[in-house]
Amino acid sequence: GESVGLHLPTLSVQEGDNSIINCAYSNSASDYFIWYKQESGKGPQFIIDIRSNMDKRQGQRVTVLLNKTVKHLSLQIAATQPGDSAVYFCAETLSGSARQLTFGSGTQLTVLP
Amino acid sequence: NAGVTQTPKFRVLKTGQSMTLLCAQDMNHEYMYWYRQDPGMGLRLIHYSVGEGTTAKGEVPDGYNVSRLKKQNFLLGLESAAPSQTSVYFCASRPLGRGQETQYFGPGTRLLVL
Repeated sequence: GESVGLHLPTLSVQEGDNSIINCAYSNSASDYFIWYKQESGKGPQFIIDIRSNMDKRQGQRVTVLLNKTVKHLSLQIAATQPGDSAVYFCAETLSGSARQLTFGSGTQLTVLP
Repeated sequence: NAGVTQTPKFRVLKTGQSMTLLCAQDMNHEYMYWYRQDPGMGLRLIHYSVGEGTTAKGEVPDGYNVSRLKKQNFLLGLESAAPSQTSVYFCASRPLGRGQETQYFGPGTRLLVL
């Protein structure tokens, strides 16, 4: 099956800077996308989601952008904090099949003091 | 409200041994899922359930069986463990209905097969 991939496996940013994590998806039929954060030794934690009928969605300090033309997602984290250090996964899903999620391989975000 | 819990947290098995991983959720969710996560990779779906008494195969079902006898529990079984099944196993659940697509994950079970 088609899968979601990420452009960069690692990302280091200075504390207080903005972070941008990218994701490419390949299934044009996917209609719902989720970003998860996974801290070491823990399960994935929901950050933000977006439906395919939107191109931008904002949460608290996070923004997700969706470009369906090039099948690209990005997660923007404003004023990155040490607690943001984690692996970030994007996941895609489409209606039917119990909404199975297809995950990318993840990006390790490290926040430098 | 504990959310999604998994038992055990860590287990070591010898090749050929069997075991059952338990996932429990107290959110009355209809859907439950079992994933495995290998080092440096995203999660891959093993099996899932759309309700009590129902199960279905995911992307990597071979070597695993599941049961959903009660709505709140989803069991993952390994009948004859192999080293290739060394992984971290995550359970997730979500409610039924449009606008309820987000899956909520448990803390994981680390399994080492020698």
